[in-house]
Amino acid sequence: DTEVTQTPKHLVMGMTNKKSLKCEQHMGHRAMYWYKQKAKKPPELMFVYSYEKLSINESVPSRFSPECPNSSLLNLHLHALQPEDSALYLCASSQEVPYGYTFGSGTRLTVV
Amino acid sequence: KQEVTQIPAALSVPEGENLVLNCSFTDSAIYNLQWFRQDPGKGLTSLLLIQSSQREQTSGRLNASLDKSSGRSTLYIAASQPGDSATYLCAVNSGNTPLVFGKGTRLSVIA
Repeated sequence: DTEVTQTPKHLVMGMTNKKSLKCEQHMGHRAMYWYKQKAKKPPELMFVYSYEKLSINESVPSRFSPECPNSSLLNLHLHALQPEDSALYLCASSQEVPYGYTFGSGTRLTVV
Repeated sequence: KQEVTQIPAALSVPEGENLVLNCSFTDSAIYNLQWFRQDPGKGLTSLLLIQSSQREQTSGRLNASLDKSSGRSTLYIAASQPGDSATYLCAVNSGNTPLVFGKGTRLSVIA
């Protein structure tokens, strides 16, 4: 298995909802990442987990809460989002340097 | 702080042309450089990964080169096809920090 699987592919949520994004990989990668991407912009790093521990938080608002239950799974819990949080959310994984990153197909999130 | 620049920002070519996309980075202390393709609203597909010790990598009609000392990489696409239309992103891995992306080149191949 050489893929990163993200679910759901599309999500529409209200500003008072609580939802979660899920990311899974079975390549034995020990680093996993959440990126946010707005239209016509490059991906922006949100969080990095290394060996199931949060190693980087790029000053992301607390309405985004990451979780890494095990080495294969990464979640992003969403609560009280704003319309400007609407974006494509990408998950990625990697083995130690110098290996490359593998990205999932993303979750298209719309906040209404 | 590593910065990655991609030129041109957009490119439109007729089908069959050979083309070159450029990527430059400010800090030459990198481990590797990765080229990705992204279709509208989709995830990133890895095209080529070049290690810092390598000069080039090839996959089918794609060839990526790396000149680490000058901080440059190029992605060469031979005999372009309409299906090559997408955004191409260059990303640099410096080891201690996650990938740093350029802003991408939006390619349109006209039939």
